[in-house]
Amino acid sequence: DGGITQSPKYLFRKEGQNVTLSCEQNLNHDAMYWYRQDPGQGLRLIYYSQIVNDFQKGDIAEGYSVSREKKESFPLTVTSAQKNPTAFYLCASSWDRNTEAFFGQGTRLTVV
Amino acid sequence: SQQGEEDPQALSIQEGENATMNCSYKTSINNLQWYRQNSGRGLVHLILIRSNEREKHSGRLRVTLDTSKKSSSLLITASRAADTASYFCARFDQTGANNLFFGTGTRLTVIP
Repeated sequence: DGGITQSPKYLFRKEGQNVTLSCEQNLNHDAMYWYRQDPGQGLRLIYYSQIVNDFQKGDIAEGYSVSREKKESFPLTVTSAQKNPTAFYLCASSWDRNTEAFFGQGTRLTVV
Repeated sequence: SQQGEEDPQALSIQEGENATMNCSYKTSINNLQWYRQNSGRGLVHLILIRSNEREKHSGRLRVTLDTSKKSSSLLITASRAADTASYFCARFDQTGANNLFFGTGTRLTVIP
């Protein structure tokens, strides 16, 4: 089955720790995205990548980092510099700007 | 922020009624897309309308686009309880980058 997979589904982080959220797709999509969603809110773009080894900051990139070493993988690291990381994180991918995006099921990150 | 705005923020209707949600945006667009999100889940693509199209249908969904007013609407006809979800519009703007921006969403509740 083709799709986009996020893991883990739930993640707990202690203050001061870095954590990495996984996002893998087997759709052969060039573009991948990370969004943050707070309760009752829309999606805010953290980072996006148009091709391997390239990525761009979105609206709220501070405190986050990404890599795109392989076409199918776009991991997001939430660093200790992100002061309010508790949120629902969504990864997506698409062929290009003329097609729809496919989403993973999300990772809910909680700071404890 | 490049977010668009959905209107209304919340909508509650009886099963069988029609639901209309509106989306406004500020920049020129390549296309506009509508997505659905069930609570705590990823987003599912519903329909994509290109900037040179004015109306598009998919089953019980009808989307219109008015680029002169920078607005779009999503109509769900003969609503069902299973249509209860949040609905978001999203767009690629015309800068050429693959950054997909989302609106703030409309929370639809269909009462059986």
